[in-house]
Amino acid sequence: EVQLVESGGGLAQPGRSLRLSCAASGFIFDDYGMHWVRQAPGKGLEWVASISWNGGARGYADPVRGRFTVSRDNAKNSLILEMNSLRLEDTALYYCAKGGGSSSYYPFDFWGLGTPVTVSS
Amino acid sequence: DIQLTQSPSFLSASVGDRVTITCRASQDIGNYLAWYQQKPGKAPKLLIYVPSSLQTGVPSRFSVGGSGAEFTLIISSLQPEDFATYYCQQLKNYPLVFGGGTKVEIK
Repeated sequence: EVQLVESGGGLAQPGRSLRLSCAASGFIFDDYGMHWVRQAPGKGLEWVASISWNGGARGYADPVRGRFTVSRDNAKNSLILEMNSLRLEDTALYYCAKGGGSSSYYPFDFWGLGTPVTVSS
Repeated sequence: DIQLTQSPSFLSASVGDRVTITCRASQDIGNYLAWYQQKPGKAPKLLIYVPSSLQTGVPSRFSVGGSGAEFTLIISSLQPEDFATYYCQQLKNYPLVFGGGTKVEIK
């Protein structure tokens, strides 16, 4: 059974950093692209970042490019999102999602439950 | 960047109704479009990727149409468990944007 469990969310002040993790199990992790998607309270889904199976290709949404870094540790079946220079508008529930193939261009076929991030002074 | 526009943003319908949700892309994306369902307090669920068949467990009352820049998600006979918010997503290139969502509520 595929499982994705996010952690690392919490309260941070503007300008500070947080590191989100996603522990994956139930599938061959290094066969698939992985993704981060966020959802602000009461709002729709917003794609944040993606990484291919070996980390060789990464993509970022414009609002986070240069501040967020997506990475993966295939030996530990783990997806990471380093978030720096946090802004109030980064407040959201952050989902980890598995792609349906090795590149980033497959639909997101399994999702975690999300980890909440609140940016507030 | 590609933009996706869903319509309507809100839909009120009755059990048994046929429901059509439209997703328009700002440019041709071929068939690289997926549809997701999200219920309150839950993670999104992949319903269908246009080039493929329905995801395992998704009822056959869900179907998709279109290609290029206009797509539809059709629910042939709305059931109580279908009341949710539906999102389209383009997967042709970065950024992998989602549409704004269509909330389907009970009339």
